[in-house]
Amino acid sequence: GENVEQHPSTLSVQEGDSAVIKCTYSDSASNYFPWYKQELGKRPQLIIDIRSNVGEKKDQRIAVTLNKTAKHFSLHITETQPEDSAVYFCAHNFNKFYFGSGTKLNVKP
Amino acid sequence: NAGVMQNPRHLVRRRGQEARLRCSPVKGHSHVYWYRQLPEEGLKFMVYLQKENIIDESGMPKERFSAEFPKEGPSILRIQQVVRGDSAAYFCASSSDRENTEAFFGQGTRLTVV
Repeated sequence: GENVEQHPSTLSVQEGDSAVIKCTYSDSASNYFPWYKQELGKRPQLIIDIRSNVGEKKDQRIAVTLNKTAKHFSLHITETQPEDSAVYFCAHNFNKFYFGSGTKLNVKP
Repeated sequence: NAGVMQNPRHLVRRRGQEARLRCSPVKGHSHVYWYRQLPEEGLKFMVYLQKENIIDESGMPKERFSAEFPKEGPSILRIQQVVRGDSAAYFCASSSDRENTEAFFGQGTRLTVV
């Protein structure tokens, strides 16, 4: 994606393990960093977001961390379940939404 | 409170025909984005529009593709003289004027060129 690098492109974990996806961006003025989950054949949907005035945000098994100095942010999923299997996109908003290239997460039961 | 509505959900066109994809944003949203997605791939930015204005069309092919977001009515992505390579899912997203808020996606239009 433009101005945002996302890694890894694929990630396979065992059920119960943690998964981490990382993104780096280039526009230092960006202030909003959402993460989207896209299940097969469906639309991307927001799962969590973070604004630049905080460094970490949690929502049950999902957390996002932001390092504005280093211009990177990460998605952490703990105690993964098979239903977490999907493609995850990071994004940031600077004049328009830039999306990462996506990470295909496979959680093996 | 309807979300982003795209129609049609599926569109089949023969090579050389025109494809018109419609997107009605969330009520009150004035920003619309169009993305193209091939199977197993990411979201490729095409165009960003605000009411009656094209803000950024850097992702749109120079030929055959056009987009509009009129004062009244839905945003339209138009593909003229379609070719097999245009087959993809086309997603529309909308956001409000408020800063630092999410973009909501429509269900997408799956275009198949035969």
